[in-house]
Order: sequence, then structure tokens, then C-alpha cells
Amino acid sequence: DAGVIQSPRHEVTEMGQEVTLRCKPISGHNSLFWYRQTMMRGLELLIYFNNNVPIDDSGMPEDRFSAKMPNASFSTLKIQPSEPRDSAVYFCASSLRDRVLHEQYFGPGTRLTVT
Amino acid sequence: KNQVEQSPQSLIILEGKNCTLQCNYTVSPFSNLRWYKQDTGRGPVSLTIMTFSENTKSNGRYTATLDADTKQSSLHITASQLSDSASYICVVSAAPQGAQKLVFGQGTRLTINP
Repeated sequence: DAGVIQSPRHEVTEMGQEVTLRCKPISGHNSLFWYRQTMMRGLELLIYFNNNVPIDDSGMPEDRFSAKMPNASFSTLKIQPSEPRDSAVYFCASSLRDRVLHEQYFGPGTRLTVT
Repeated sequence: KNQVEQSPQSLIILEGKNCTLQCNYTVSPFSNLRWYKQDTGRGPVSLTIMTFSENTKSNGRYTATLDADTKQSSLHITASQLSDSASYICVVSAAPQGAQKLVFGQGTRLTINP
């Protein structure tokens, strides 16, 4: 298995531009998570899906952030318009919810820089 | 408020030495506690997962302990290697039935020097 796949690995954009981050979870996993990591705040859960349905989006910072999961093998995190304070590493993780301990497998992350 | 606090923030030791990282949490209801290793530029990778009823779990040279009464956990690394240089993150699951909410510590940055 290729693991969780994220693209792009690096993104540099100007303030005000739209940014779309992509994630392909591990095949067969039915839960997907989006995280943001910064030096100041560490890892933060933004949103997670079970069976393609958003369950908890309380970590989404504001309306500029949106996430979709149109099918079991693809999810996007969109920031529109982007701001410099959105600069961070964004991780996607997936898990098999039916397993008791819900082990999460993380992707390599997308490093976003907003100038 | 659900919180996870780790200490120390950073640690430098010589190759071959042992070390212990600490994690204190105030998370309710408690479901499980995980230790992750995160190499620079990569996503976290799970080392151990412990439920309420477990007080120790090993993964090679890594041994995690859990005291659910005092809400403390430790990660002990034996005979450290250069490849152990990484950030170690303590994560507690505040998981009511059906939910998967993880509370992350800030991590301990471990450096192993030759």
C-alpha cells in the first residue's frame, strides 16, 4: 500500500489567492482527518470525515477554510482567500474506524507558504 | 479544558544513552494515549497506543508507561541511536463513543549526538 498520499508537497502562493490541498487516503480506510501544524500551536485537528461525511469541523479556523470528501478515495482542503497566517504544514491522515483503537496513518504533509 | 503537556520541550543526549520523555494530560473522557515519532519533514508515525487498562507497552527500544490515576505517561528510549533524533508527540484520545477526537501535546524535540 502506498500510504496516505498528499499533493502538492510544497505550495507557495500570494496572499488572497485560492489554495487547494489534496489527499488520497489508504484504500479501505473510512475515516479521514485534516490537521495543521505550526511551531507555535503544534498539531491541530481541523476536520474529520467518517464514510465521506464531515463529523466534526470545529477546528476549522474560519469560513475561509472548507473541506470536501466527494468519495472514499479523495478529499480536498481549500483556503480562499489565503492569508500569511495560514502558512503551516497541513497533514492528512486516515484510519479504519471499525478497529477499536482507530490507528491513524499520516501522509507526508503539504508545506504551505503564503506571502 | 482538554490539554496535553509534554516535558522537556527539547533534550540532547549522547548516542547509546537512555532517556525518558514525560506527558501529563487533563483529557476527559479518556479513551487511549498514543506516542508518535515525527522525523523532520515527515508526518507522525505511531509508536505505541495504550488504553485505560494498560500501564506499559513496548515497541522495540521504546517503552511507554501510563498511570491513569495520576494522568501521566512516559516514553523511555533505551540505547539511543542517531535515528531516534525526532520530535515525540503525546496524543490523548478524548473519545466519546463514536467519535475520534485527539488532543495533541506540543512535542519533545530529541537530538541524539554521536
